[in-house]
Amino acid sequence: GNSVTQMEGPVTLSEEAFLTINCTYTATGYPSLFWYVQYPGEGLQLLLKATKADDKGSNKGFEATYRKETTSFHLEKGSVQVSDSAVYFCALSGGATNKLIFGTGTLLAVQP
Amino acid sequence: GAVVSQHPSWVICKSGTSVKIECRSLDFQATTMFWYRQFPKQSLMLMATSNEGSKATYEQGVEKDKFLINHASLTLSTLTVTSAHPEDSSFYICSARRDGNSYEQYFGPGTRLTVT
Repeated sequence: GNSVTQMEGPVTLSEEAFLTINCTYTATGYPSLFWYVQYPGEGLQLLLKATKADDKGSNKGFEATYRKETTSFHLEKGSVQVSDSAVYFCALSGGATNKLIFGTGTLLAVQP
Repeated sequence: GAVVSQHPSWVICKSGTSVKIECRSLDFQATTMFWYRQFPKQSLMLMATSNEGSKATYEQGVEKDKFLINHASLTLSTLTVTSAHPEDSSFYICSARRDGNSYEQYFGPGTRLTVT
């Protein structure tokens, strides 16, 4: 079945550091890929998405490229801020039902 | 736009009682809503897919008689945890798929249930 594997956290960085959170997936067909962010005390918000191979999703300085050859969708940001501290979830959606399947989440803590 | 609310945001109940959680799409219609359960430091696990006007579709291992879902209108789905036990304590999250959009889900802020 479909699944998502993302790097375990927590990830602790200093402000302005470069961020990478790895995400790989297993899926039949051609799923859509997503990154969601959950800020403390809030619900999940869609951060970015990519619906086909080689697409790059981007938002708020974050980027992720849909790599079919490596079945990956790594999240990157060139310079993180304290306000980026949150839990980040990689997810995929595919098949007839379009159900979302989530990774385990990665806690990012950015220190000033 | 695309705001989803949940009520209550947290609830404490005694073992054996039932608790109802509401999920509302405030500014859009949602024929399809989803209910998830999130354990501490773990991912969201889909419990069921709720469709307006029809029976919910439950994921494998989820007891439909324990987690009753009703989707009576295009903006409201409810999850009732019946005869709650301490092991039902968890964070319950709903999401709604805007009608006309095939994949994007909008998430509610979640409901923390504690069963004593």
